[in-house]
Amino acid sequence: EPEVTQTPSHQVTQMGQEVILRCVPISNHLYFYWYRQILGQKVEFLVSFYNNEISEKSEIFDDQFSVERPDGSNFTLKIRSTKLEDSAMYFCASSGVGSTDTQYFGPGTRLTVL
Amino acid sequence: DQQVKQNSPSLSVQEGRISILNCDYTNSMFDYFLWYKKYPAEGPTFLISISSIKDKNEDGRFTVFLNKSAKHLSLHIVPSQPGDSAVYFCAAYLSGGYQKVTFGTGTKLQVIP
Repeated sequence: EPEVTQTPSHQVTQMGQEVILRCVPISNHLYFYWYRQILGQKVEFLVSFYNNEISEKSEIFDDQFSVERPDGSNFTLKIRSTKLEDSAMYFCASSGVGSTDTQYFGPGTRLTVL
Repeated sequence: DQQVKQNSPSLSVQEGRISILNCDYTNSMFDYFLWYKKYPAEGPTFLISISSIKDKNEDGRFTVFLNKSAKHLSLHIVPSQPGDSAVYFCAAYLSGGYQKVTFGTGTKLQVIP
């Protein structure tokens, strides 16, 4: 069964450093998403991406964040200068062609900012 | 901004009995609702969904009920199994857009053998 994969599973970084989280969505999906879950809190929408551009973003997704689909398979989230409060699980998701097609989530990357 | 609320952080149920997980929402624009299950160290796994034109959707042991007037939905699991022990997230979005899914805070279900 196709699945969304994410690398790395755990990333530790120093405050102020840049990190890139990587995702490989399901191959025939057209919509891509990033969510995050701070420990003990709910899963929060960050951004959606379609047709090579951001389609919607939340207030969390400020100028420190960017997304890119550098090739036909990868989808990345970059945090330019990490802060302590960026420590969280980051989940990538993808969905098919319809507006109500199910979003399938990857296993997540745990980001720890020291 | 708690547009989707799950007021019970945890629930314990005996194996074989019914589990009922509840969810309330405040945004009347939401027209598509989902339940996701999440195990530790894994991403959310889709369980079942319902659109606002329906009031019930069933898939095997899982049934979701939607009461639009009360802005309330519930997930019924019958019979509950130990493997169902996980955190269950209620979620919602406005269809026709880009699926900006809003999640609830989750309910941790423990099914006791």
